[in-house]
Amino acid sequence: SQTIHQWPATLVQPVGSPLSLECTVEGTSNPNLYWYRQAAGRGLQLLFYSVGIGQISSEVPQNLSASRPQDRQFILSSKKLLLSDSGFYLCAWNPGAGETQYFGPGTRLLVL
Amino acid sequence: AQSVTQLGSHVSVSEGALVLLRCNYSSSVPPYLFWYVQYPNQGLQLLLKYTSAATLVKGINGFEAEFKKSETSFHLTKPSAHMSDAAEYFCAVSEGGSTLGRLYFGRGTQLTVWP
Repeated sequence: SQTIHQWPATLVQPVGSPLSLECTVEGTSNPNLYWYRQAAGRGLQLLFYSVGIGQISSEVPQNLSASRPQDRQFILSSKKLLLSDSGFYLCAWNPGAGETQYFGPGTRLLVL
Repeated sequence: AQSVTQLGSHVSVSEGALVLLRCNYSSSVPPYLFWYVQYPNQGLQLLLKYTSAATLVKGINGFEAEFKKSETSFHLTKPSAHMSDAAEYFCAVSEGGSTLGRLYFGRGTQLTVWP
């Protein structure tokens, strides 16, 4: 069966510090991968998605970036965090178009 | 372009009462439709999915949803609410026929269940 992991579970970082969140999927190959952010009262915002290694599409301009160095690994990064980057970050995957997205447990990020 | 509107950011019901969470969508082609549930500090979990096989879709935990093309709706219902149903619920649409697997989410509905 397939599983999706995210780490860390919780992170507290100062403004201006770098960020690296990792997501890995097991039990499947060539998944579509997604990064979402949930800010309080703002629903789910799609940040990035990837249909293959090295292929990243960005949905909104911001100081975040994403990379997919391996087939089942998706990384969310920032060089300098802002207060507004605080939120709950969710990684998800699906096999392809029209298929259910499966979500990871999330990372709670607090920028102080 | 696809979009989803969830009417009511907060819904409160008594335990044992009917749960009705509303979702309307817009899509230029026949859509795939989803309902997800999120408990505090957890990821989203699939409740049910519509893929054109049947208009009434049954999901986990006693929930079901009916696809009504004429109303562009996909409302979620449960005959009798339990305390454990308290959570946030998200409706999502995926464009049928698209080569991408992305979903478009509504803003969510927080369900509170009173004893």
